[in-house]
This record gives sequence, structure tokens and C-alpha cells, in this order.
Amino acid sequence: QVQLVESGGGMVQPGTSLRLSCAASGFTFSRYTMHWVRQAPGKGLEWVAVISYDVDNKYYADSVKGRFTISRDNSNVYLQMNSLTAEDTAVYSCARGGGSTGYYYMDVWGKGTTVTVSS
Amino acid sequence: QSALTQPASVSGSPGQSITISCTGTSNDVGTYNLVSWYQHHPGKAPKVLIYEVNKRPSGVSNRFSGSKSGNTASLTISGLQAEDEADYYCCSYTGSSEDVVFGGGTKLTVL
Repeated sequence: QVQLVESGGGMVQPGTSLRLSCAASGFTFSRYTMHWVRQAPGKGLEWVAVISYDVDNKYYADSVKGRFTISRDNSNVYLQMNSLTAEDTAVYSCARGGGSTGYYYMDVWGKGTTVTVSS
Repeated sequence: QSALTQPASVSGSPGQSITISCTGTSNDVGTYNLVSWYQHHPGKAPKVLIYEVNKRPSGVSNRFSGSKSGNTASLTISGLQAEDEADYYCCSYTGSSEDVVFGGGTKLTVL
């Protein structure tokens, strides 16, 4: 079945880096735009970044621009997170873009991986 | 980009209908028919209920419906059921790059 499984979360100190992975299965990954979305404790969902199916286009939320980098390979999407702060503490989920462009809604989601930034 | 505005909570009894609003601006919700709605049971993966304002993915109950008027989109759930108790989020294209923005979320309680 269609599935997205995130990994790579953990507890890190402020100012350090972390790389999240999302393994996709059950669909033709190369045809889909992919997103990262996060949810801080007690807060709502926040869109983080998106990468097009062909890797040509990447877009980021202002809150992570210049610090986070989204990438992908044949069956995984990644989120490289640098210069982490406490405000980046959240559950990070990857999601498949739906529709013809894949940019404007997400039709399949993973359960997420938890990132805690604390000294 | 500021988050879209949703009520923090709504409630209803089984069998009733409820509506959750999602207010944006003329730059996002008001201009583009690119509003989606998600149901999120804590600890589980979110599920898309509505996309492009009023379209329902296959497999989603027709008890869920979406609409839009001006800068405000709405999700209506009819025939409330206990399993509808969850957090609900709206999302819209912002009109900038290919960015999207979520609402703050609404907790639905089924009494």
C-alpha cells in the first residue's frame, strides 16, 4: 500500500544539524512532488518545504529559508536542517503532493518523526 | 505569511452538523480556489478531506463538504459521529512562489 515512513529525528543541541529521511513505497515516487510539514508541541501544522517531482523546483517557508534544504533520490525525500533552534522542535512529517502539480495539497502523509532541540 | 484563522474549538452532538470556518485574505483564500482540509487524530497521519475548496478524494465520506465565500472557506461535517472527534486544519495557496499556509487548527468535540 501507499506508505511514507519518516526517520532521523532525535534530541539535539541548539546550533547543530540533523538530517531527516522519508521512505516512500507503494507508488511511483518519481512522479510526485513531496512536502515536509511540521507540528510543534501544542501548535498547529506548519508547512516547511516542497520539492518538485523532477527536483528542479524547491520552495521553503520563511521560517526555515537558508537553514533547511530539501532533497530527494529514487525513493526517499530528505530534509537537512542546520542551525537548529528551540523553535524547530516539532514532529516532522513528509507528505505526497496531490493533484496535477502537487504543490497545493497533500494526499498521503506519514506519521512523522520527532525533533527536539534543547540544551 | 500569517496562518489562516480558524476557531480553536467547535462541538456538536452525534447526528448534528457543524461548520468550521477558515479565514484568510484577498491574497490567498479570496483569490485562489486552492483550499484543502485535513483531519488529524493525534498520533496518526493527517488525512485529506477536501481539496480545491470542494472536491472530495475517493474514499472520503460525503458527510464532509467544503465551500468558500470571499476570504473565508468552510468545512461542514454532517451527521456527526464519535470518530469525527479530531483536529481539523485548512490550508491554502498563498499566492507567493508555490508556498502554502495552514490554519491554526480546530479541535472538534463530539458531545
